[in-house]
Amino acid sequence: GIQVEQSPPDLILQEGANSTLRCNFSDSVNNLQWFHQNPWGQLINLFYIPSGTKQNGRLSATTVATERYSLLYISSSQTTDSGVYFCAVRIQGAQKLVFGQGTRLTINP
Amino acid sequence: SQTIHQWPATLVQPVGSPLSLECTVEGTSNPNLYWYRQAAGRGLQLLFYSVGIGQISSEVPQNLSASRPQDRQFILSSKKLLLSDSGFYLCAWSVSAGYGYTFGSGTRLTVV
Repeated sequence: GIQVEQSPPDLILQEGANSTLRCNFSDSVNNLQWFHQNPWGQLINLFYIPSGTKQNGRLSATTVATERYSLLYISSSQTTDSGVYFCAVRIQGAQKLVFGQGTRLTINP
Repeated sequence: SQTIHQWPATLVQPVGSPLSLECTVEGTSNPNLYWYRQAAGRGLQLLFYSVGIGQISSEVPQNLSASRPQDRQFILSSKKLLLSDSGFYLCAWSVSAGYGYTFGSGTRLTVV
């Protein structure tokens, strides 16, 4: 099956710093989403981005489908950005959304 | 707008007891519905999905079952819980498999 690898596994930053999270996948996909899991466990949908670039406030994401990777950018980090960030993908014809292992981001005040 | 509800939020159950977790979606019809489990660590694993009433597909053989008695209702069940069933259970929906998924707030199950 498709493999989804996220890097780095852990990231610790000071408030105000910028960060880039990466997601590599092993097959062509027609669905890619970035999620933020907050400390209470809820998965918040950040971006639906099978290709191209999107921005939402301090967050932006880029997916280069032909090269099988996606990047999530967080600028001017705030403590509320802490949590685990997941990339999840789905291949054509499949029902399953396959998750990476996540990047645990810790923003210190 | 569409919303997804999942309950209970937390549950502590003894080994061997039954389980019923419920998920409902509002504001849409004929959604695709999914049950995921997040065990210790980070990975999320798909357990079941459903593309219509009474249609259930299982991804991983285990001690659990799922049912979809109504269009927007998805239930996860077990007749006898095992310690290994502990984890964080998340329900999700999508318009169809080609669209984005939205997750419920999850149920944290501890089997003791």
